[in-house]
Amino acid sequence: AQSVTQPDIHITVSEGASLELRCNYSYGATPYLFWYVQSPGQGLQLLLKYFSGDTLVQGIKGFEAEFKRSQSSFNLRKPSVHWSDAAEYFCAVGAYGNAGNMLTFGGGTRLMVKP
Amino acid sequence: EAGVTQFPSHSVIEKGQTVTLRCDPISGHDNLYWYRRVMGKEIKFLLHFVKESKQDESGMPNNRFLAERTGGTYSTLKVQPAELEDSGVYFCASSFTGGLAKNIQYFGAGTRLSVL
Repeated sequence: AQSVTQPDIHITVSEGASLELRCNYSYGATPYLFWYVQSPGQGLQLLLKYFSGDTLVQGIKGFEAEFKRSQSSFNLRKPSVHWSDAAEYFCAVGAYGNAGNMLTFGGGTRLMVKP
Repeated sequence: EAGVTQFPSHSVIEKGQTVTLRCDPISGHDNLYWYRRVMGKEIKFLLHFVKESKQDESGMPNNRFLAERTGGTYSTLKVQPAELEDSGVYFCASSFTGGLAKNIQYFGAGTRLSVL
């Protein structure tokens, strides 16, 4: 069965500082990988996804993530954090399937941004 | 284009009562999913519809939960009778049918259910 681990429950960074959120997954083959963000009062918004090809993927809001097969990781990065990035971030893995498939989520990382 | 819409945004009920959550997927999306996040835990899969058919309901916790998607459009998730442990946020997601797009799920804002 697939699983996702986000080791950091809470992270606090200063505005303008760089950010890296960690995600490790367990899956028997190359998975589909996703990062979602949930801002207060909002739904889950897709930041970026990895299906295949270039292991460095760009997303919205200046985020990027790198798929590292050898480390089973898909860490999310941003070079300079803005106060509006304060939110909860979820890494998820999806399995290949004929009709679409369920996502397995990590526990989430709550990001706080100091002024 | 409207996104995934969920009603109500928040529901407070007493133990033993019935609650029905509704999800309107993005127009044209045949895949519809329900997920739940119980306080302090991960977001967990409940079930998956393809049009009006249940493709996978392996995540449904017990027979107090009933999901329907009549006509393959909107879906309802009924909890009857509700128990304290059913409290949490219920998310709905939808995805397109064909190719890789079927694997990109778009989520609603969720329904926060509080069972007292």
